[in-house]
Amino acid sequence: EIVLTQSPGTLSSSPGERATLSCRASQSVTSNLVAWYHQKPGQSPRLLINGASSRATGIPDRFSGSGSGTDFTLTISRLEPEDFGVYYCQQYGRSPWTFGQGTKVEIK
Amino acid sequence: QVQLQESGPGLVKPSETLSLTCSVSGGSIENLHWSWIRQAAGKGLEWIGRVFTHGSTLYSPSLASRVTMSLDTSKNQFSLKLTSVTAADTAVYYCAGSFGYFNHWGLGRLVTVSS
Repeated sequence: EIVLTQSPGTLSSSPGERATLSCRASQSVTSNLVAWYHQKPGQSPRLLINGASSRATGIPDRFSGSGSGTDFTLTISRLEPEDFGVYYCQQYGRSPWTFGQGTKVEIK
Repeated sequence: QVQLQESGPGLVKPSETLSLTCSVSGGSIENLHWSWIRQAAGKGLEWIGRVFTHGSTLYSPSLASRVTMSLDTSKNQFSLKLTSVTAADTAVYYCAGSFGYFNHWGLGRLVTVSS
């Protein structure tokens, strides 16, 4: 199975700052089929990005995804207070679909 | 707007079978693939498996020997059965609709395995 490793484990940032989250796959992800999710405590995850770079419906343009092969990045251009929480990447190019372990974005 | 709602027992005894149902509203169950995902307390997300619109299934190898998923198009529901549960199966179980990525999620159902 494809193992996804996210870094950093925790990112401490202030509102208005730029955040860059990384997701590295143990082997190349077919057709760059990578998604990103945001989860707040006590809530279900919310889809942000699919296909490595396509924003989901209703997602603000401060969120952008990039990457290919084994290296993928989620960038939040200017952090808003509601952006704090845990972010997960997921690959759906090869079964079993797998998730990264998550990056926690916390308020500095 | 597709909405999903998990239902089923919140407490299961060790060695017994965990059974959950996901009810789909706001759209046809025949238009997406349907997955179960779980999350232990303080941990990450684990994909359990999916059932396709025509009823075929694909499970995570780590759970395949204990998992069964099925679809009931007449009720717009799909279900999960996980046999021989242990404390390690205690988690919030989410149902989700997908095209590979998960764009519809239920609120989650906490299932505790304990005697």
